[in-house]
Amino acid sequence: GENVEQHPSTLSVQEGDSAVIKCTYSDSASNYFPWYKQELGKRPQLIIDIRSNVGEKKDQRIAVTLNKTAKHFSLHITETQPEDSAVYFCAASRGGANSKLTFGKGITLSVRP
Amino acid sequence: EAGVAQSPRYKIIEKRQSVAFWCNPISGHATLYWYQQILGQGPKLLIQFQNNGVVDDSQLPKDRFSAERLKGVDSTLKIQPAKLEDSAVYLCASSPGVAAEQYFGPGTRLTVT
Repeated sequence: GENVEQHPSTLSVQEGDSAVIKCTYSDSASNYFPWYKQELGKRPQLIIDIRSNVGEKKDQRIAVTLNKTAKHFSLHITETQPEDSAVYFCAASRGGANSKLTFGKGITLSVRP
Repeated sequence: EAGVAQSPRYKIIEKRQSVAFWCNPISGHATLYWYQQILGQGPKLLIQFQNNGVVDDSQLPKDRFSAERLKGVDSTLKIQPAKLEDSAVYLCASSPGVAAEQYFGPGTRLTVT
């Protein structure tokens, strides 16, 4: 089955700096890659996703890049703010009828004011 | 639109007792998921329904866990008997179809003592 790994497990940045969070996956048939943000005690919320027919997607301060050959994708957050502090989960899915999402273990991002 | 509803929000039971969780998905969403999120880990899929049929329950411990989605709307997840290692947050999610964005409910935090 699919295996999704996230590196590093924790990340601390200064407010205003950029943060990059990386994920690797094992199933070459995966074609849908969402990123979820989970604040303490709250539900996971989708912040951006990418499908395998594109290499990059951007939404204001966040972007996701995908390298299908290397089987990794990354979340980029620019101009970080304290409210960006949360746990970020990446996930992968084959899509279609078998749309099971396999999540990574999460990365705790801390933005220092 | 109203989000995914779950109840109860918190539950404390003793081991070997039984417990049930309820989920009401977003109106019109055909696909419903139950996830288990252990502290410090990403959500793990337990079962996926498409309308009232099971699509994937490969990671559901069927000797103690059961789930149903009668009439293809609300769903219940039951644990009987509970074990200490079942302590986790149980998240319900729904999506309008396969390979679509999943919307999570607030979760039920289960503590087994």
